[in-house]
Amino acid sequence: QITLKESGPTLVKPTQTLTLTCTFSGFSLSTSGVGVGWIRQPPGKALEWLALIYWDDDKRYSPSLKSRLTITKDTSKNQVVLTMTNMDPVDTATYYCAHIAMASFDYWGQGTLVTVSS
Amino acid sequence: QSVLTQPPSVSGAPGQRVTISCTGSSSNIGAGYDVHWYQQLPGTAPKLLIYGNSNRPSGVPDRFSGSKSGTSASLAITGLQAEDEADYYCQSYDSSLSALFGGGTKLTVL
Repeated sequence: QITLKESGPTLVKPTQTLTLTCTFSGFSLSTSGVGVGWIRQPPGKALEWLALIYWDDDKRYSPSLKSRLTITKDTSKNQVVLTMTNMDPVDTATYYCAHIAMASFDYWGQGTLVTVSS
Repeated sequence: QSVLTQPPSVSGAPGQRVTISCTGSSSNIGAGYDVHWYQQLPGTAPKLLIYGNSNRPSGVPDRFSGSKSGTSASLAITGLQAEDEADYYCQSYDSSLSALFGGGTKLTVL
């Protein structure tokens, strides 16, 4: 079965760079049509899509955050890494990674809460 | 402000039918991109409820149905149950293949 799990720091300081890792099992990111996306949710607020990467290394970013985001994959490790630069308290959120199939996010990780505070 | 517009809240009594709308534009839903729906129970990760406008993943009750017309989509829930109380999100893409989420709708079962 498909599972995903996010990992990374729970607390970062303003201006620092956040690096989150999504480790997955049950599928391969070298399989045609497969992708992984990152989505975040500030406390009490709506979901916000951040970035996604496909099996062919096609990458897409949220236009409003594009300058701060980088998404990469390591197929051999079954991992997708998201980096976000210049973190701010407004970036405090639960960050989710999710498997993409048929253009939908069909499997989600449990999420990891990242707090930005000095 | 989300590009896909949903009502902030809807409510209904047990057994009733409720619908949640998701309004986009000619740049996203109206351009032919599919709409997907997610259910998020309190304190949990979102769960795919409807994909490809009207398809249910295995295990999703047929009380949940989706439709799409023009620049909008709708999620319908019939035979409302207490366990349906959750936040619901629509999702689609735009012409740059950026993913879009609606602002979410809180469903209250009275």
